[in-house]
Amino acid sequence: QSALTQPRSVSGSPGQSVAISCTGTSSDVGGYNYVSWYQQHPDKAPKLMISDVTKRPSGVPDRFSGSKSGNTASLTISGLRAEDEADYYCCSYAGGPYVFGTGTKVTVL
Amino acid sequence: EVQLVESGGGLVQPGGSLRLSCATSGFILSDYWMSWVRQAPGKGLEWVAKIQETGSEKEYVDSVKGRFTISRDNGKNSLYLQMNSLRVEDTALYYCARYSAYHLDYWGQGALVTVSS
Repeated sequence: QSALTQPRSVSGSPGQSVAISCTGTSSDVGGYNYVSWYQQHPDKAPKLMISDVTKRPSGVPDRFSGSKSGNTASLTISGLRAEDEADYYCCSYAGGPYVFGTGTKVTVL
Repeated sequence: EVQLVESGGGLVQPGGSLRLSCATSGFILSDYWMSWVRQAPGKGLEWVAKIQETGSEKEYVDSVKGRFTISRDNGKNSLYLQMNSLRVEDTALYYCARYSAYHLDYWGQGALVTVSS
């Protein structure tokens, strides 16, 4: 049950696109299409942004998109906005338990 | 409106026990798997445990197995986390969250547990 690996930080200017990777193993990310992504602003509870690798819940802007290749999932934020500055976590089903990623801080320059 | 409200956090000495509660409303608790997720101060999210709709299936992260017990009372619309043999490294904000299929769609605001002498 090792944490999934994410870059510590990514940054971009308003309007640009950024991508966050989430690398696991064949026992979690690579083995199931059950990767979700959560956004967390300071001192707030996490918010679901993407489920089942690519599905966007109602109310989440279409600027957010998810994908997966092998053992690595990715979250892409297009048309970056100031309010997107937050921490982002991936999470994967691992055949029983779940495992979160190490988290990525997105900075809007 | 779906609401999850945690309570029961506080300061406890190493080796002590604490029981967290999560009061739910706005949905039928017995229709959903539920989970606890924690976040140590300044650190990332860590999945702790999950429980099936009737309580017959439970799963834990290795670091809490044998010390923590997740349970529920659907009649009282409540989820619980009994934490025994607490360690300093268990210090964290503990979130109650609802599963929808394989993702967590609603989260509470968290209950802070501090383990210190």
